[in-house]
Amino acid sequence: AQRVTQPEKLLSVFKGAPVELKCNYSYSGSPELFWYVQYSRQRLQLLLRHISRESIKGFTADLNKGETSFHLKKPFAQEEDSAMYYCALRSGSARQLTFGSGTQLTVLP
Amino acid sequence: KAGVTQTPRYLIKTRGQQVTLSCSPISGHRSVSWYQQTPGQGLQFLFEYFSETQRNKGNFPGRFSGRQFSNSRSEMNVSTLELGDSALYLCASSLVAGGQGAGGYTFGSGTRLTVV
Repeated sequence: AQRVTQPEKLLSVFKGAPVELKCNYSYSGSPELFWYVQYSRQRLQLLLRHISRESIKGFTADLNKGETSFHLKKPFAQEEDSAMYYCALRSGSARQLTFGSGTQLTVLP
Repeated sequence: KAGVTQTPRYLIKTRGQQVTLSCSPISGHRSVSWYQQTPGQGLQFLFEYFSETQRNKGNFPGRFSGRQFSNSRSEMNVSTLELGDSALYLCASSLVAGGQGAGGYTFGSGTRLTVV
């Protein structure tokens, strides 16, 4: 069965500091990994997906199949990055999304 | 274009009652998925409907059921409510099944269900 683990429930960094939100997964096939973000009082929304290899709002994430990780990184955190971040895995023939438990990021001024 | 609309926004029910939640997907989207969000368990998949057919079901008891209509609107029903069913229920729509395609899943604001 697939599983997504986000080991940090809470993460605080200072503005301008680098930030890394960890995500590890377990899945025997070829995974599709995503990061979703939920800002305060807003809807859950897609931030980025590994297949696109894109940078959104300065965030990047690289799929490391050897370490089964998909960590989210940003070199210089901004206060507006404060939000709940969820890592998600799409798998199986039915292609459903499995979410991690989320990491609440707080960027301090 | 209008986003995913979930009604009602808030609901309070007593144990043993049943409840129906509604989700209207983005126009043109044929897939609707339902998730339960709680502080302890996070986001858990309930089921997905595509073209009025349930494609996949999560690990929830039979008290949780759903359906999708020909206009792609979906309803979720929970019977014999328990205190543990208190949660935010999120609906997500996508153009094709499994959230594939450039847009992926678009989530609604959710329905906050409180069981007392």
